[in-house]
Amino acid sequence: ETGVTQTPRHLVMGMTNKKSLKCEQHLGHNAMYWYKQSAKKPLELMFVYNFKEQTENNSVPSRFSPECPNSSHLFLHLHTLQPEDSALYLCASSQDPRARETTDTQYFGPGTRLTVL
Amino acid sequence: AQSVAQPEDQVNVAEGNPLTVKCTYSVSGNPYLFWYVQYPNRGLQFLLKYITGDNLVKGSYGFEAEFNKSQTSFHLKKPSALVSDSALYFCAVGYSSASKIIFGSGTRLSIRP
Repeated sequence: ETGVTQTPRHLVMGMTNKKSLKCEQHLGHNAMYWYKQSAKKPLELMFVYNFKEQTENNSVPSRFSPECPNSSHLFLHLHTLQPEDSALYLCASSQDPRARETTDTQYFGPGTRLTVL
Repeated sequence: AQSVAQPEDQVNVAEGNPLTVKCTYSVSGNPYLFWYVQYPNRGLQFLLKYITGDNLVKGSYGFEAEFNKSQTSFHLKKPSALVSDSALYFCAVGYSSASKIIFGSGTRLSIRP
């Protein structure tokens, strides 16, 4: 186990549903990330939070809404998704986002496999 | 533009043989290089990283990688492959003043008994 948990592990939803993905890290880290992993595509960074503040939004559609209430928890709220949003959604955390250089190792959760019907 | 490339979608190796998974990068400034592994239905797991110092980096499960500045490469190696090494491997690069790391497209490693 990496110290990063994600729930649920699998989610099937219709296009009109609203659901949320949850991520929790037990590593004392201060940065958290959402990634999307689709088949045959590189890993796509979606959002970055440093000390609960969003510092990166990689042109993600507004039907994905992140929330970071504290440094240990990260949510991804989903509404009116499209079938092409079906993917594995990975959460990660790293220690010190104040570092000017990207030397920190990211630790990943097991992911949520999302299927949009 | 900053980028990382894994030129092989799939690498097939017989158990007990040495393996190499290739990675090249293009960044401005000093590169910081990572290898991650992903087993089926799991998240990415950190293997090793190069920040500075010795060009040969040793990591988990007997893997190592060599930073080659002149060839802008960071190939992952293991002297003797195990069937359990079969997985998806990702190379990633960060660099000075960057706020995020860039992942390669992944290489599927298959070790046959």
